[in-house]
Amino acid sequence: DAGITQSPRHKVTETGTPVTLRCHQTENHRYMYWYRQDPGHGLRLIHYSYGVKDTDKGEVSDGYSVSRSKTEDFLLTLESATSSQTSVYFCAIRKGSASMNTEAFFGQGTRLTVV
Amino acid sequence: DQQVKQNSPSLSVQEGRISILNCDYTNSMFDYFLWYKKYPAEGPTFLISISSIKDKNEDGRFTVFLNKSAKHLSLHIVPSQPGDSAVYFCAASPLGGSNYKLTFGKGTLLTVNP
Repeated sequence: DAGITQSPRHKVTETGTPVTLRCHQTENHRYMYWYRQDPGHGLRLIHYSYGVKDTDKGEVSDGYSVSRSKTEDFLLTLESATSSQTSVYFCAIRKGSASMNTEAFFGQGTRLTVV
Repeated sequence: DQQVKQNSPSLSVQEGRISILNCDYTNSMFDYFLWYKKYPAEGPTFLISISSIKDKNEDGRFTVFLNKSAKHLSLHIVPSQPGDSAVYFCAASPLGGSNYKLTFGKGTLLTVNP
């Protein structure tokens, strides 16, 4: 267990409503990521963080925002949920540094359904 | 523009034989390469990695080979076991810093038949 907790694990929401997913880590790792997994697309990066208040966009960031106000929490917000955002969302954490390569550890995922 | 490509969506092998999963990449800035295994309804789990300064890394039944000139890596599983049946993702990353992203391929579904 890499000390990552995603909440909620399952959620059904209506189109147009805001939704926030939470990723919490106990490892004090610097890097945190949000991915979505969809059939035929693999894992696609939504946003990532390289430190408190330091975030950047991934390849599928439209319609999503993130915040990281403390090391252990990385929040993903769907500002106005759409059916195309129905997916399984994974959070990942990674130690890493400018000179060290490390693996990332993933949470169990959040299954989000937008109806 | 897909920077990490796994061109085989699926692979089926017999138990005890070798499984070879392939991955190609296009970004010359990638410095570190990883393989993940994923079972249904679970998060991906790290399997094995290789740095760009090496061409081979071995861990038990799993070996990853890197050919930098061809921008190609492969994962060999010997011998394959039914419990290896899962989706395998190839991933790549530059060195750390603010651009320390992991880019994944679309995955290959491996089925190992008893």
